[in-house]
Amino acid sequence: GQQVMQIPQYQHVQEGEDFTTYCNSSTTLSNIQWYKQRPGGHPVFLIQLVKSGEVKKQKRLTFQFGEAKKNSSLHITATQTTDVGTYFCAGPEAAGNKLTFGGGTRVLVKP
Amino acid sequence: NAGVTQTPKFQVLKTGQSMTLQCAQDMNHEYMSWYRQDPGMGLRLIHYSVGAGITDQGEVPNGYNVSRSTTEDFPLRLLSAAPSQTSVYFCASSYSAPTGAEAFFGQGTRLTVV
Repeated sequence: GQQVMQIPQYQHVQEGEDFTTYCNSSTTLSNIQWYKQRPGGHPVFLIQLVKSGEVKKQKRLTFQFGEAKKNSSLHITATQTTDVGTYFCAGPEAAGNKLTFGGGTRVLVKP
Repeated sequence: NAGVTQTPKFQVLKTGQSMTLQCAQDMNHEYMSWYRQDPGMGLRLIHYSVGAGITDQGEVPNGYNVSRSTTEDFPLRLLSAAPSQTSVYFCASSYSAPTGAEAFFGQGTRLTVV
């Protein structure tokens, strides 16, 4: 079945620094979604990318969908303590009825 | 707006007991799903439903049953709880299948099986 992998599993970042987390799928995706889960909370939708090579920005967050639609990245600039949490990517299976999540990147921010 | 409501928030079960985790949404979403979240393993799909009366298995369905008699409700039943089912369970709903719609998650149910 489809596999979605994320690296790194953990990311320790100094406040103010930038970092990138990566998402790779074993199959071509129709779209990729990103979610954020704060500690003790539930996943919250951030964004969906659909087109090959698409880039979207949300304030300090930049999301990119690869040309082959098998990978994606999330880049955060000037990390803040509010960025703490786990970031998940997720992609639908070919038939479209199952959403497969990556293992997540847990972000810890050092003030 | 209530969104997706899960009950209970916390539960402790003894091995072999059964229980039902409740999930209700008030957004008239057709698609609903259940995930379990274990440390370091992300979210794994247990069962999902594309509409009332239609359910199907996800990645880890063993030991769980679901039904979808109404659009609003999608309960998850643990038939005979095992320690391996200790986890955080999330219910999610979306307007349509995952190809085109964001998922809204409930607050989660933290289940411990002893």
